[in-house]
Parts: sequence; C-alpha cells; structure tokens
Amino acid sequence: DAKTTQPPSMDCAEGRAANLPCNHSTISGNEYVYWYRQIHSQGPQYIIHGLKNNETNEMASLIITEDRKSSTLILPHATLRDTAVYYCIVRVEGFKTIFGAGTRLFVKA
Amino acid sequence: NAGVTQTPKFRVLKTGQSMTLLCAQDMNHEYMYWYRQDPGMGLRLIHYSVGEGTTAKGEVPDGYNVSRLKKQNFLLGLESAAPSQTSVYFCASHPPRDTIYFGEGSWLTVV
Repeated sequence: DAKTTQPPSMDCAEGRAANLPCNHSTISGNEYVYWYRQIHSQGPQYIIHGLKNNETNEMASLIITEDRKSSTLILPHATLRDTAVYYCIVRVEGFKTIFGAGTRLFVKA
Repeated sequence: NAGVTQTPKFRVLKTGQSMTLLCAQDMNHEYMYWYRQDPGMGLRLIHYSVGEGTTAKGEVPDGYNVSRLKKQNFLLGLESAAPSQTSVYFCASHPPRDTIYFGEGSWLTVV
C-alpha cells in the first residue's frame, strides 16, 4: 500500500475554502485516493475518492495532479462543523485500508 | 438497516482478563476490519477479513485474535488484557468496490 504524507494541522476561516493537501508519491496505477474525516471520537466518515480525474460531490472536491503523486481535498465553504481530522488514504479498490495520522483542521469563526 | 454495530460500547477490564468485542454488519459486506485508535493518534489496523472463514494480520496484531465464522460477524478477542490495550476500537466493513462503513467505536480501559 502506498503511504501518504499530510500536514499535522491546518486552520481555516469559516466561510472560506479549506484546501487540504496530501502527498502520495509512491502511488501505483491501480490505487485510488480516498478521503475520510473523523469528528471527535466518532467513526470515520467517507468524503470522496478518485483514481485519475478530479471528482466533486455534495461535500467536497478532490483534485488529483496529473502525475497522481499528490492531491488536494477542497471544502468550498468551511463551517465550524467541518472541524475534524481528515485522512488521505491510497489503496487498491477493495483491498485493506491503512490510515495515517491525518490533518487536524480547525475552522475558526 | 443497522449498518455496523459494535458491542459492547464501553468496558473496563483488569489486567489479565479476557474479553471479546463483537462487530456485526447487516449489509452483506465481504470485507471487515478491526482498528484501534489511541488518544491523538490515527487508526491502526489490527486484523481484517476478506470473507467468511478468512482472517489476516494488520499493522498491530499482537495480543489480539479474530474470527469470522459468519459473514456478518467479526469478533476481536483479547486473551490476556494489558494496560497497553486501553484504546478505542473501531470495526468497519465494505463490499469489494465501495467505501468503508464504520461502527461507533468501543471504549476499552484495562486497569
């Protein structure tokens, strides 16, 4: 499984876009990029995933670089409820999932 | 549809005691996982299963055993609990080509 590197923490002003980077320079061709978040001590919640193309859903957008060595999760209008730990994971679809330490996002009023 | 259910949610054990955590999913998922999460840390994979009757070791398997006798259940056992196993335990499941669904967590304290 490819490893990921994320900054340990980030701040964002409420209402602004939160851009969370992830480095996965050893990703292989059949590995997907997944993003999850964990609020307080709840179970992680799925946000979005992608292989090559950029993806968007009702929660966020995922931008994957052309060489697939890094990606950015974008929360377009962050709210206080988006304060959480965000995990970037790469894995072969259907295979075991290894979590890293994630990025702790603080959204401030 | 209950999703992924973990029991118990809270438990206090004495060092050396044994216990079993039960994870049940009603979504007919093939893949099931047990993670642990220590304060301020990310999730670490203990054991996982890719189908009924199969189990495999994750990142931190020592001190734990698992069984998947039925597709819907994944049991995590601690044969002789140690204070280092004090943690929050999360179960998760997913079908072969889909996202992961997590349980609400089980808080275990070993004194």
